Formats: sequence, C-alpha cells, structure tokens
Amino acid sequence: GNSVTQMEGPVTLSEEAFLTINCTYTATGYPSLFWYVQYPGEGLQLLLKATKADDKGSNKGFEATYRKETTSFHLEKGSVQVSDSAVYFCALSDQGDYKLSFGAGTTVTVRA
Amino acid sequence: ETGVTQTPRHLVMGMTNKKSLKCEQHLGHNAMYWYKQSAKKPLELMFVYNFKEQTENNSVPSRFSPECPNSSHLFLHLHTLQPEDSALYLCASSQGGMDEQFFGPGTRLTVL
Repeated sequence: GNSVTQMEGPVTLSEEAFLTINCTYTATGYPSLFWYVQYPGEGLQLLLKATKADDKGSNKGFEATYRKETTSFHLEKGSVQVSDSAVYFCALSDQGDYKLSFGAGTTVTVRA
Repeated sequence: ETGVTQTPRHLVMGMTNKKSLKCEQHLGHNAMYWYKQSAKKPLELMFVYNFKEQTENNSVPSRFSPECPNSSHLFLHLHTLQPEDSALYLCASSQGGMDEQFFGPGTRLTVL
C-alpha cells in the first residue's frame, strides 16, 4: 500500500535559519506528491506539489524536488521567518484513487 | 479564502445529542472528503464522495453518518458520540483523484 514517512518534530529554529523536513514515500504507481501547511487554528493549505519525477515544486520560498530514485520529497527553505511556524504535512496521491496518504506532520517553531 | 467553508467552527455536544456539520465548496470540484484530526495522531480519512456517490468509508463507526446532496455540499451527521470523538473535523474537495485537495478551516468538536 501507499505510505508517507516524515521526520518527527518538533523542530525549533531561529529566524533566518535553514529548514529541512525529510519525507519519503512508498507507492504502488506513479504518485503526485504534496506538501501541506497548517497554521494554528486553521485547516490545511497546499504549500507546493510535484506530479512527476524530477519536478520541483516551489512556493513562498519553500522548495521540494520529486526524487524517484530515493523515493523522497524533502521540503527546504533557506531562511525561515517567525510566520513559518506551523505544522507541515507531506502527502501523496496515487493512481487517481481519490485518497491522500499523509505523513504524521512536523511541527516547526521559529523564534525571533 | 480557500473556497471551502465549514460550519460551525466550534461545537460542544453531549453524548446523547444529535448535531450536523456542514461543508460547502465554491470551486466546482467533483469530489469531497471528511477527515478527522486528533491530537498526536495522523490525519484520518473518513469518507470520500465523488459526483455525490460515496466511494470510500474508512471503517467509520455508524454514529457518523455522511450525506452529500450535491457536488457542492457535504454533511456529517453526528449521533450518540463518545468523548474520544472529540477532534478537528476537516472537509476537503478536489477536481480529480490525483489533484490537490482544498481544505476548509475545520470544525472543532468537543464531546462531553
């Protein structure tokens, strides 16, 4: 079956630090990959996505590259801000089965 | 504004009450979803509807009863819930099975 494993948190960083959240997946087909973000008191928002191998998704300074050879989709940002404090979820969708498989989520706190 | 709205945002109910959660999407999508998000647990998919037809029931107890009268509206009827059902209930929609899902802000449910 499909599954997503992401690094456990919580992660605490200082402003302007470099952020990496690891995500690896297992899938039976050729999945689409997503990163979602959940700010306090809100629902999930799509942060970025990639639909095929070697695609790079990017948004708000965040990037992630679809690596088929390592089945990974690690999230990176070069210089985080306090406003990036949130829970980040890696997810995959496979073969049009209308299901998103989510990782457990990583809580990120950025200190001023 | 994500295009998916949920009401109420907060709900407190007793174990013998009957209540309903409402979700509406203004994105013209064909599929709608209910998720349960509990503290310290992965996001759990509950139900999937595609063109108003239920395509997934992820072993959800019968005290949760979904209803999808059209592609824009989704309800979750609640009856004789347990305290462990207290959680954030998220609604989402998507155009297709492998497309990103758009989430509402959620209903924070507390069962006393």
